[in-house]
Amino acid sequence: GENVEQHPSTLSVQEGDSAVIKCTYSDSASNYFPWYKQELGKRPQLIIDIRSNVGEKKDQRIAVTLNKTAKHFSLHITETQPEDSAVYFCAAISGGYQKVTFGTGTKLQVIP
Amino acid sequence: GAVVSQHPSWVICKSGTSVKIECRSLDFQATTMFWYRQFPKQSLMLMATSNEGSKATYEQGVEKDKFLINHASLTLSTLTVTSAHPEDSSFYICSAYANYNSPLHFGNGTRLTVT
Repeated sequence: GENVEQHPSTLSVQEGDSAVIKCTYSDSASNYFPWYKQELGKRPQLIIDIRSNVGEKKDQRIAVTLNKTAKHFSLHITETQPEDSAVYFCAAISGGYQKVTFGTGTKLQVIP
Repeated sequence: GAVVSQHPSWVICKSGTSVKIECRSLDFQATTMFWYRQFPKQSLMLMATSNEGSKATYEQGVEKDKFLINHASLTLSTLTVTSAHPEDSSFYICSAYANYNSPLHFGNGTRLTVT
């Protein structure tokens, strides 16, 4: 089955700096990779996603890169703000949601 | 955009009682919904996949007789925690998608506390 590793588990950055979170997956059948932001006690919110036919996608301060050969994808947040503080989860999904595997999460703290 | 609603948001029950949690897709039909359990500071643990009109598929280690899932319509799936015990206290979240090309959306979660 699919195995998704996410690093780091915690990340502290100064406001304005960039943050990078990386996930690696094992199943080459995975073809859809979303990232979710979860604030304490709330639902995970989709912030960006990428499909396997694309290498990079950007939405304002957030970008995701995908390396299919190496089986890893990364979330990049630039110009971080205190409201970016949350737990971020990556996921690897294959076969039309036949298999959905989440990473272990990264707690991001942006220090004002 | 696609919205998934979950009810109740929180519930406190006594040990031995049953609790039903509802998950609704508000503006799309969902033949499949997922139920997760999340412990504090941990990731989402898939409990089962709910399929409209058929039996749910449970993950290894999840007791199907304890966590009853009913997906009676294309917009509603329910999770019933039967004979709840304190160790069942957790955050339960559902998710659903409209089609294979659409994102996976989550409900707002249900905080269950069993006393």
